[in-house]
Amino acid sequence: TQTVSQSDAHVTVFEGDSVELRCNYSYGGSIYLSWYIQHHGRGLQFLLKYYSGNPVVQGVNGFEAEFSKSDSSFHLRKASVHWSDSAVYFCAASLMPNYNVLYFGSGTKLTVEP
Amino acid sequence: DMKVTQMPRYLIKRMGENVLLECGQDMSHETMYWYRQDPGLGLQLIYISYDVDSNSEGDIPKGYRVSRKKREHFSLILDSAKTNQTSVYFCASSLLGEVFFGKGTRLTVV
Repeated sequence: TQTVSQSDAHVTVFEGDSVELRCNYSYGGSIYLSWYIQHHGRGLQFLLKYYSGNPVVQGVNGFEAEFSKSDSSFHLRKASVHWSDSAVYFCAASLMPNYNVLYFGSGTKLTVEP
Repeated sequence: DMKVTQMPRYLIKRMGENVLLECGQDMSHETMYWYRQDPGLGLQLIYISYDVDSNSEGDIPKGYRVSRKKREHFSLILDSAKTNQTSVYFCASSLLGEVFFGKGTRLTVV
């Protein structure tokens, strides 16, 4: 059984700061990884995904994530956050070839202060 | 405009009542899901549907059943709702690994 771990339940930064939200997974086979954002009271929205190729993937609104097989990680980063980035971020993983079955981490709440 | 629509958005039911949550998508996606979200637990998969009448249990199917008679519609049914089924329920559909979520239904069972 694969698991997705997001070690930080809450992260607080100031507007303009850089931020890294951590995601680790535990599975030895081919894995499909993605990040989603959830603004308060809304459904989740897709940010980016990785399966193979360049380990650094670009997403919407300046987000990027880097896959590391050695660290079993897929951390999300943004160089300069805006107050509108305040939301809950979910990392998700699925087992190939059934990439349709996603398992979500418990989420990291990002608060961006002015 | 690609959309997953959930009805109703808010629902209050008494324990023991039957509950029907409806979901529609306009993207002709084969795969659809029902998740529930509880504080601190992230999203838990209740059921996944791979197409019409092709449904599989997720991690927490107990107390729920689903129906998919048309590709664009996927219903979640709670027969005799329980208070521990109070939650926010999300329907979703997916294509090539990208999942599209509805806005959720907040169900309160009293």
